[in-house]
Amino acid sequence: DGGITQSPKYLFRKEGQNVTLSCEQNLNHDAMYWYRQDPGQGLRLIYYSQIVNDFQKGDIAEGYSVSREKKESFPLTVTSAQKNPTAFYLCASNRNTGELFFGEGSRLTVL
Amino acid sequence: DAKTTQPPSMDCAEGRAANLPCNHSTISGNEYVYWYRQIHSQGPQYIIHGLKNNETNEMASLIITEDRKSSTLILPHATLRDTAVYYCIVRVVTSYDKVIFGPGTSLSVIP
Repeated sequence: DGGITQSPKYLFRKEGQNVTLSCEQNLNHDAMYWYRQDPGQGLRLIYYSQIVNDFQKGDIAEGYSVSREKKESFPLTVTSAQKNPTAFYLCASNRNTGELFFGEGSRLTVL
Repeated sequence: DAKTTQPPSMDCAEGRAANLPCNHSTISGNEYVYWYRQIHSQGPQYIIHGLKNNETNEMASLIITEDRKSSTLILPHATLRDTAVYYCIVRVVTSYDKVIFGPGTSLSVIP
């Protein structure tokens, strides 16, 4: 079945460590997105990529990095520069009729 | 900033129609209205979208006013499983640009 796979589902990190969240899609979508969600809040855009080897900052990119070396993959690295990384992270891809397809999310907790 | 405004919360009795409003007074002529919902701790799910005509699918109906400045998502017979946060966004179909989500409406379906 086509879809978006995020891993890991749960992740614990010590302060000062970088961590990479995986996002893979087999929908052949060009555009992909990363969002952050804090408890009781809406989705905030971190980075998005319209095409392979190209990506743009969203509204809260500081402390995060991404790459887009393959169409299917858009990993997000949460660096030690991110001051408050504990959150729910959501990856999405964009169908050419405008609908976004989301993964099930990765919940990161900093110990 | 999000281009839409929604009430923060609503209640609906089980079995009754849930009518969720969305204001998008600055919508452009080529922007569509999209609706998503997010059940707790899951990725958002696409529901429906439209340009100016009313739309219906197996999940819901979308009513867009003639001036396109507002819309209503209708869940015809709400069930407890419809309890979720509902997001209304506007965007151009062919654009792979930023997709911004507002805080949405938290719908509680009451037994």
